[in-house]
Amino acid sequence: ILNVEQSPQSLHVQEGDSTNFTCSFPSSNFYALHWYRWETAKSPEALFVMTLNGDEKKKGRISATLNTKEGYSYLYIKGSQPEDSATYLCASGGSQGNLIFGKGTKLSVKP
Amino acid sequence: ETGVTQSPTHLIKTRGQQVTLRCSSQSGHNTVSWYQQALGQGPQFIFQYYREEENGRGNFPPRFSGLQFPNYSSELNVNALELDDSALYLCASSLVPGSYEQYFGPGTRLTVT
Repeated sequence: ILNVEQSPQSLHVQEGDSTNFTCSFPSSNFYALHWYRWETAKSPEALFVMTLNGDEKKKGRISATLNTKEGYSYLYIKGSQPEDSATYLCASGGSQGNLIFGKGTKLSVKP
Repeated sequence: ETGVTQSPTHLIKTRGQQVTLRCSSQSGHNTVSWYQQALGQGPQFIFQYYREEENGRGNFPPRFSGLQFPNYSSELNVNALELDDSALYLCASSLVPGSYEQYFGPGTRLTVT
């Protein structure tokens, strides 16, 4: 994998459903993996920064895992709420701080 | 909110013109990075400034240039605008290059006609 890739591109779920999305990134020269939550017309909001293989992080109903050897990360949302509707971006971070972003997963949660 | 602001929110320019976009970083953050997000794409790294010097550049031509000032503000300048420059431009501030924490502004939407 040469680029950061995210799937699915978009997702529509019902309130209360749990969901997950995938981020694939180059596993060579890995430095850090970032997840951002981005609501329309607002600033992207940092969710997690992960650096170690096997890392798991949690923030409320949202959690993420990291596999640096195979180059993927999963983001999980438990019991989705309408306010979780946003675009979720992942980015592979270089040692100088430049981020290589995927195209994002757009999540819509229906009440 | 991240504490990073950008101005203007929206801008319309004509092909061939020049544009300046502004970013105000969090106080104490010596590093600012600029990204371009074209329609349907993820944000792409343009360049980074650290202590008022360019500290890394993505695959963007020299007509994209920047300035960083001691008061934690910065500018992105684009000369000879092309239609493909239409995009959302984001800035992100951090304490130092390579910092795990980067704080983004809400972006400036540039339309080139």
